[in-house]
Amino acid sequence: ETGVTQSPTHLIKTRGQQVTLRCSSQSGHNTVSWYQQALGQGPQFIFQYYREEENGRGNFPPRFSGLQFPNYSSELNVNALELDDSALYLCASSRSLTDTQYFGPGTRLTVL
Amino acid sequence: DQQVKQNSPSLSVQEGRISILNCDYTNSMFDYFLWYKKYPAEGPTFLISISSIKDKNEDGRFTVFLNKSAKHLSLHIVPSQPGDSAVYFCAAVRSGGSNYKLTFGKGTLLTVNP
Repeated sequence: ETGVTQSPTHLIKTRGQQVTLRCSSQSGHNTVSWYQQALGQGPQFIFQYYREEENGRGNFPPRFSGLQFPNYSSELNVNALELDDSALYLCASSRSLTDTQYFGPGTRLTVL
Repeated sequence: DQQVKQNSPSLSVQEGRISILNCDYTNSMFDYFLWYKKYPAEGPTFLISISSIKDKNEDGRFTVFLNKSAKHLSLHIVPSQPGDSAVYFCAAVRSGGSNYKLTFGKGTLLTVNP
């Protein structure tokens, strides 16, 4: 059984640009959650997708948006990148809304 | 306002001894708690969880204790092994909420010395 995968592994962007991060959920999982982990901090909840619908959002501005596809893979899009967006972005999938979340390896985003 | 706190940024123990990692929370609506372990360049790995209806859950070398009145939980690792060296995150969930988001502490770096 394949675990959660994320691409790319690393990414460098400049301020003002846009970025798309991708996540493939574990087989049989229909829920995907995205987290941002800044240096020295714990992961912070961005939003969650359940069966292709957004199911809750953390304290992040609208320039953070996402999608979930029919195969339950997901994308995180960030527009108008700011320096503070530099962080590790983690995707987690779960078998259902209330099941344990299993994380991918993350995408390290650096904004210059 | 940090709702989940791990007040010890780091902990160092000898191989074979017990490691105790602590976590406090402030939101009384949290009713499910998890511990994750994270190695560098990897995502967090689920270790163990506990529901608020229990005060202890055990899985092999890992035991989590929950003290609801004190809003405190701890993870015990016995015996500690060098491969346990990692950052440990405590996370809490309000299962009756509109989404099942995890609220994390800042983590504790555990170093197990051979």
